[in-house]
Amino acid sequence: DAGVIQSPRHEVTEMGQEVTLRCKPISGHDYLFWYRQTMMRGLELLIYFNNNVPIDDSGMPEDRFSAKMPNASFSTLKIQPSEPRDSAVYFCASSPTRNGNTIYFGEGSWLTVV
Amino acid sequence: GQNIDQPTEMTATEGAIVQINCTYQTSGFNGLFWYQQHAGEAPTFLSYNVLDGLEEKGRFSSFLSRSKGYSYLLLKELQMKDSASYLCAVREHTDKLIFGTGTRLQVFP
Repeated sequence: DAGVIQSPRHEVTEMGQEVTLRCKPISGHDYLFWYRQTMMRGLELLIYFNNNVPIDDSGMPEDRFSAKMPNASFSTLKIQPSEPRDSAVYFCASSPTRNGNTIYFGEGSWLTVV
Repeated sequence: GQNIDQPTEMTATEGAIVQINCTYQTSGFNGLFWYQQHAGEAPTFLSYNVLDGLEEKGRFSSFLSRSKGYSYLLLKELQMKDSASYLCAVREHTDKLIFGTGTRLQVFP
């Protein structure tokens, strides 16, 4: 099983540029989560989808952030324009069922905005 | 609101036992999870509790008391490779999985 696949693994970009992070969940998983991790705030839930539909985006910090899931095997998290404070590790995770006993994380996308 | 508290850092000696506590206040409860995260890596699943009591899995055990909003992760026979962050997470009724800020454990020889 391939696991959750994220790209890019590392990205360094200049302030003001658009950043697109990509995620392929584990096949057959109904839920997809986007998290952001920083030293100060830990692991924060940004948004999650169920069957490709956004369920809760209350964690999205501001309008500069948007996420889509056009089909069951692909999701994007976009930041436009990016700012230095967006520097963090962004994790995508997927879960097979409601009340499932675990979610599976991808390796993360390490974003640095300079 | 949501609040999950864990100690920020702990240290222990190789071969010893360590207990990492977690208290939570959330708007719903549908299970408590513990994850391990080594530096520079993704979190990996350790344990899951939805009913009160102790769940044992090899050297690791996790305990839950729903009435007290309390859990702990017990690590026995500590090894150097157990040095990592340990994340407590609560699943709400809405399926959101909310994480604490994690406890960084350092194991010394």
